[in-house]
Amino acid sequence: DGGITQSPKYLFRKEGQNVTLSCEQNLNHDAMYWYRQDPGQGLRLIYYSQIVNDFQKGDIAEGYSVSREKKESFPLTVTSAQKNPTAFYLCASSIRGLATGELFFGEGSRLTVL
Amino acid sequence: QKEVEQDPGPLSVPEGAIVSLNCTYSNSAFQYFMWYRQYSRKGPELLMYTYSSGNKEDGRFTAQVDKSSKYISLFIRDSQPSDSATYLCAMTLNAGGTSYGKLTFGQGTILTVHP
Repeated sequence: DGGITQSPKYLFRKEGQNVTLSCEQNLNHDAMYWYRQDPGQGLRLIYYSQIVNDFQKGDIAEGYSVSREKKESFPLTVTSAQKNPTAFYLCASSIRGLATGELFFGEGSRLTVL
Repeated sequence: QKEVEQDPGPLSVPEGAIVSLNCTYSNSAFQYFMWYRQYSRKGPELLMYTYSSGNKEDGRFTAQVDKSSKYISLFIRDSQPSDSATYLCAMTLNAGGTSYGKLTFGQGTILTVHP
């Protein structure tokens, strides 16, 4: 089955530690995205990548880093510089050039910083 | 002021009711409009998308866009308990160029349909 796999689903970390969230897709999509979801705030774009070895900052990139070494993978690192990292993180992908702009989402990773 | 405003609810209705979910936006350059449905602890999934002003129907769901008023709506007829979810409106400037795939989301409306 094609889809997006995020891991881990739940993650607890101590304050000051870096955390890496995994995102893998087998949909052969060129573009991948990371969103953050907080209660009452909808989804906010952290980073996105249109092609391998290229990525751009979204609206709330501070304290986060990404890499795109393979088409299938787009890991997100939440660094200790992120002031409020506790949130639900969603990875998504899309076909470049698709008129609807449809995003396919993974099931999310919930990060709790203690 | 946020670019997209959506009443977060929560909204609770009896089974069979007609549900109206709404979003307003401030950027008149938005061209594509979408509704995503998100079940608890899951990722959102695309429910409907529209491009032009007017109505688009798909089964029990109708998406409405009024570009002159910068207002979009999603209507659910004969609502079912399985419709209980968070509904997110989303919009994008266009389908090409650097804005492609960069959706701006509303805050989401939590809907509960009780039997």
